[in-house]
Amino acid sequence: GQNIDQPTEMTATEGAIVQINCTYQTSGFNGLFWYQQHAGEAPTFLSYNVLDGLEEKGRFSSFLSRSKGYSYLLLKELQMKDSASYLCAPWDSNYQLIWGAGTKLIIKP
Amino acid sequence: GAVVSQHPSWVICKSGTSVKIECRSLDFQATTMFWYRQFPKQSLMLMATSNEGSKATYEQGVEKDKFLINHASLTLSTLTVTSAHPEDSSFYICSAREPGRDTGELFFGEGSRLTVL
Repeated sequence: GQNIDQPTEMTATEGAIVQINCTYQTSGFNGLFWYQQHAGEAPTFLSYNVLDGLEEKGRFSSFLSRSKGYSYLLLKELQMKDSASYLCAPWDSNYQLIWGAGTKLIIKP
Repeated sequence: GAVVSQHPSWVICKSGTSVKIECRSLDFQATTMFWYRQFPKQSLMLMATSNEGSKATYEQGVEKDKFLINHASLTLSTLTVTSAHPEDSSFYICSAREPGRDTGELFFGEGSRLTVL
């Protein structure tokens, strides 16, 4: 079957760095997305990885290892506005997004 | 960037009535739109894929007659929740991909929170 595994909740301090891990099992693979979703709002796109390695975009970086079925989202210089849920979503062989339940990130001052 | 707009943002209705939610792509044409439902603290659940000019493709377990989808133009898809019941109360979100964008990310509407009394 298809499965996404992310921690349910994480807490970090403003200004710090946090890494949100995601492991996945899908029928085929065509890349992996990370989305940010603030409470009560729709998700917004953060990153897309299709090849192994690290993609850096400002304070956010995303890493992919296809052989391990593993990805992480790295957030640096955390700000209070980064408090949100972070959704890991791989694309399967049919280009269907498989959504995890997300990781709720709580930022404390 | 691509913009998807959804309306209404909030709707409260009585049990047994029908509710229509609109999803528009504002600056691009979307031959395909996706409708999701999300319950509190749960993942997005794909309900159906809306195809312009043809019937929607529904996911397993989603009632076609209850969740009517119409995609009559390249910029508008509508979801009608018919004979709504309290268990249909949820956050409904539409999304679309912008043609020609390499990364293929989804652009989401603002979402519509439905409360059925």
